[in-house]
Amino acid sequence: DSGVTQTPKHLITATGQRVTLRCSPRSGDLSVYWYQQSLDQGLQFLIQYYNGEERAKGNILERFSAQQFPDLHSELNLSSLELGDSALYFCASSVGTEQFFGPGTRLTVL
Amino acid sequence: AQSVTQLDSQVPVFEEAPVELRCNYSSSVSVYLFWYVQYPNQGLQLLLKYLSGSTLVKGINGFEAEFNKSQTSFHLRKPSVHISDTAEYFCAVSAPHYQKVTFGTGTKLQVIP
Repeated sequence: DSGVTQTPKHLITATGQRVTLRCSPRSGDLSVYWYQQSLDQGLQFLIQYYNGEERAKGNILERFSAQQFPDLHSELNLSSLELGDSALYFCASSVGTEQFFGPGTRLTVL
Repeated sequence: AQSVTQLDSQVPVFEEAPVELRCNYSSSVSVYLFWYVQYPNQGLQLLLKYLSGSTLVKGINGFEAEFNKSQTSFHLRKPSVHISDTAEYFCAVSAPHYQKVTFGTGTKLQVIP
């Protein structure tokens, strides 16, 4: 158990819909990262937050947004969902050089 | 910017045989290097990391990796694999003091009984 929790574990929705994925980092970790893992694209870095502020941006679509709240939990919002958004979404947290990954949310868009 | 290349997408190996998973990186600055493992239906877990110092790094579960600056490589090795090592392995790189990590495409290790 990495100490990072993600909810929900599974999410099934339809194209065009909007969903919110939630991540609680390890106690004391200020950084939160979001990743998308799919069969065709592999593991892609989406975005990083540090203590509530956006720190780095990766291959995140404009339809996706994220935020980190004062209690350090983070949410990833995915809107206007397409079939190709079906993937595993991981959250990770860190202090220092090591990232600790959550178990992921599997999103299926039908 | 950094990039990582994992040359083998799949590596089958018999149980108790040695294995090497290859990783090459590209960077214009000094780097931190990592190997993560992902077991089926789980998140990624850190196996080992190189930050500085000794180029031979030992990790969990009997794995080790060697940082080779001249060849820009960070290959992962284990002298004798077990069935439980069947998983996907990701090499990753970041720049010091910059926490964004770039992952390779992963290598699936299949241990054959």
